[in-house]
Amino acid sequence: DIVLTQSPGTLSLSPGERATVSCRASQSVSRSYLAWYQQKPGQAPRLLIYGASSRATGIPDRFSGSGSGTDFTLTINRLEPEDFAVYYCQQYGSSPPTYTFGQGTKLEIK
Amino acid sequence: QVQLVQSGAEVKKPGASVKVSCKASGYTFSNHGISWVRQAPGQGLEWMGWISGYNGDTNYAQKLQGRVIMTTDTSTSTAYMELRSLRSDDTAVYYCARVSGSLFGPWGQGTLVTVSS
Repeated sequence: DIVLTQSPGTLSLSPGERATVSCRASQSVSRSYLAWYQQKPGQAPRLLIYGASSRATGIPDRFSGSGSGTDFTLTINRLEPEDFAVYYCQQYGSSPPTYTFGQGTKLEIK
Repeated sequence: QVQLVQSGAEVKKPGASVKVSCKASGYTFSNHGISWVRQAPGQGLEWMGWISGYNGDTNYAQKLQGRVIMTTDTSTSTAYMELRSLRSDDTAVYYCARVSGSLFGPWGQGTLVTVSS
């Protein structure tokens, strides 16, 4: 099974700064099947990025994704107060459908 | 709009079973699968398994094989997740999510299952 390892575990930044979250896979993942989710306390996760770099509907352009193979990155430019949350990467494997989440990265206000 | 509504919170004793429901609306149930994801207190997301809304095919996370059963009732557009032989470390919020290929969304509101003697 593919294991996704996110770093750092916690990221302390101030509004207006840039956040960079890494997701490393134990084996190569298709770009098409790498996604990022945001979760705020008491809420279900929300899709941010799919296909490694495509923003989901309604997601501001300060959120961007990149990467390929085993290394993927979520970047958030000009942090807004509402961006402080936990971020998860997720990959999909087909036949049969299998999904894996990274352990999460908490983005907290410094 | 597409919506998934889950059943309410449960408190169970160790060794018991729990069955959580997830009623879908706003889309053709058979066109999408449903995945179940759980989150222990203060922990990350753990994928539990997937069920086809079309034919009921399933795939469970290896860790839960033998303890979890996922089913659907297409007549009511409802998915169910039953977890047996509950342990204290099964205490978590359980989410259902509509699956579109590789992606999850929308999600249900979550169901807290507490396992305590």
